[in-house]
Amino acid sequence: EVQLVESGGGLVQPGGSLRLSCAASGFPFRNYAMSWVRQAPGKGLEWVSAINDDGDSTFYADSVKGRFTISRDNSKNTLSLQMNSLRADDTAIYYCAKGIAGRTFSFDYWGQGTLITVAS
Amino acid sequence: QSALTQPASVSGSPGQSITISCTRTSSDIGGYNYVSWYQQHPGKAPKLMIYDVSNRPSGVSNRFSGSKSGNTASLTISGLQAEDEADYYCSSFESTSTGVFGGGTKLTVL
Repeated sequence: EVQLVESGGGLVQPGGSLRLSCAASGFPFRNYAMSWVRQAPGKGLEWVSAINDDGDSTFYADSVKGRFTISRDNSKNTLSLQMNSLRADDTAIYYCAKGIAGRTFSFDYWGQGTLITVAS
Repeated sequence: QSALTQPASVSGSPGQSITISCTRTSSDIGGYNYVSWYQQHPGKAPKLMIYDVSNRPSGVSNRFSGSKSGNTASLTISGLQAEDEADYYCSSFESTSTGVFGGGTKLTVL
């Protein structure tokens, strides 16, 4: 059974940093692209960042480029998102999502999400 | 403004069919043959319902179908059931290698 479990969420002050992790299991993690998708309270889904299967290609939404860094450790089946210079509009539930085979931007499994609140 | 435009809401009665549209508003979407659709119930994670415009993942009811015509992709749900009431999102990617979601459509089963 595919499982994606996010961790690292919480309350952070504007300008602060946070690191999210996603522990993957139930599938050959190293063979699939992975993404982070967020959802602000009461709002729609927003794609944030993606990384290819071996980690040598990364992609970012304009809204987070230069502030967020996606990475993966295929030896530990873990996806990460380092979030710096956080702003109030980064407040959202952050989902880890698994790419469909051969596709980076279509997602067949999602974690339950972790809430990030950026406030003073 | 999202490059994919969806109606804010649609509704239908049990047993009826409804269609949710997803219109490409930007000329620069390279991945429009890779449209996906997701269902999200309140407080839950999204669930993949359709990928590559019209492919249905294993386990998804055949009441859900996808299609595309010109600049518009569509999700059709036939034989509406109460459990279908949820938010639905289309998604694709742009030629700049960034993902994009539509604004979402709230489906109400009357």
